[in-house]
Amino acid sequence: EDKVVQSPLSLVVHEGDTVTLNCSYEVTNFRSLLWYKQEKKAPTFLFMLTSSGIEKKSGRLSSILDKKELFSILNITATQTGDSAVYLCAVEPRGSTLGRLYFGRGTQLTVWP
Amino acid sequence: DAGVIQSPRHEVTEMGQEVTLRCKPISGHDYLFWYRQTMMRGLELLIYFNNNVPIDDSGMPEDRFSAKMPNASFSTLKIQPSEPRDSAVYFCASSFGLAGGPGELFFGEGSRLTVL
Repeated sequence: EDKVVQSPLSLVVHEGDTVTLNCSYEVTNFRSLLWYKQEKKAPTFLFMLTSSGIEKKSGRLSSILDKKELFSILNITATQTGDSAVYLCAVEPRGSTLGRLYFGRGTQLTVWP
Repeated sequence: DAGVIQSPRHEVTEMGQEVTLRCKPISGHDYLFWYRQTMMRGLELLIYFNNNVPIDDSGMPEDRFSAKMPNASFSTLKIQPSEPRDSAVYFCASSFGLAGGPGELFFGEGSRLTVL
């Protein structure tokens, strides 16, 4: 069965620290991997990755995919209290399950001032 | 655009009652998804539609759950009869298909259901 595993489950850091969140997956016929940030309400989109080795960046956040080793990382540099949230990783397979996203359980990040 | 709109935001009901959750996707989006989120299981896909047609309902837990999309701007998720284990946050999401797939999902703010 396809699955997505995120680590760590939770992380507590101080403002200014750099964090790395991990996502590994086992999905047949991989199509894309997506990262979402969920604060108190709806998940909001961060990145979509489809190609290995190409880093996507948005401000202090960046992400990269390794399709050979089946994992992705999400880096956040110079963390701020506003980065506190659950970060979700999701993988979309191709083929008969096209359109179905498999989500990991998420990493709960807490940034203390 | 107002984004994906869900109602009600909160619902508290008693076991055995019928529950109907509603969703208005973003105009122009051709995919609509219903997800359920719990502490124990995280986000789980229940069903999704493409151009109003149900494509994959394998995540619907049992016959008590049903979903419809009568037109491009409205979908419902119904639970009848409801049970305490159905308590969760139900998210609706929509997307515009890219290269044959759904692309980035836009989530509504969720409907928090509590079944007593």
